[in-house]
Amino acid sequence: QLQLQASGSGLLKPSQTLSLTCTVSGGPISSVVYSWSWIRQSPGGALEYIGYILHTGSPHYNPSLTSRVTIAVDESKSQFSLTLKSVTAADTAVYYCARAVVGAQFYSDIWGQGSLVIVSS
Amino acid sequence: SYDLTQPPSVSVSPGQTARITCSGDSLPTKYAYWYQQKSGQAPVLVIYEDKKRPSWIPERFSGSSSGPVATLTISGAQVEDEADYYCYSEDTAGEGVFGGGTKLTVL
Repeated sequence: QLQLQASGSGLLKPSQTLSLTCTVSGGPISSVVYSWSWIRQSPGGALEYIGYILHTGSPHYNPSLTSRVTIAVDESKSQFSLTLKSVTAADTAVYYCARAVVGAQFYSDIWGQGSLVIVSS
Repeated sequence: SYDLTQPPSVSVSPGQTARITCSGDSLPTKYAYWYQQKSGQAPVLVIYEDKKRPSWIPERFSGSSSGPVATLTISGAQVEDEADYYCYSEDTAGEGVFGGGTKLTVL
């Protein structure tokens, strides 16, 4: 049974860099069928796609975040990561990592439990 | 920006049918997906590609789509189905978008 667990920086100050890692267990991270994604949920409940990375290593980012975000995969560790630069209070959210299916459309089918990130001075 | 519109709340009694709608201009040409999120938990996929159900989801969950409106139906809703439900799809540029969520109350 595939499981994903996000971990990383929980409390940040404005302008700092957010770094999260997602560890994948119970299945291979290298797959031509699946990709790996990050989604965040604001304190008010709104869900927002951050981006995903294909099995080829090619990333796709939300246009509203593309200048600040990087998603990468480390297959040797069965992990993928999220880096978000220059955070502000608006980046306060629960960050979820999830497996993504990229076909006619992309969507995330299995989600990890999420990691709370608070940005506050 | 592209919006998917959901009602903020839906309320039914146990055993009744709950219907949650999702409206969006791209839905005639894009699939809709539905997620269930219980309090303090991660979202769980309950419907994909308009009407397909993952093997781990009970048969009482079903989906449909007609024109700009996708609908999640829970036939014979149970107390444990009480949760927030989010629709998801893509805009015409292929960017993923979530609806604002619907709180389902079963009591």
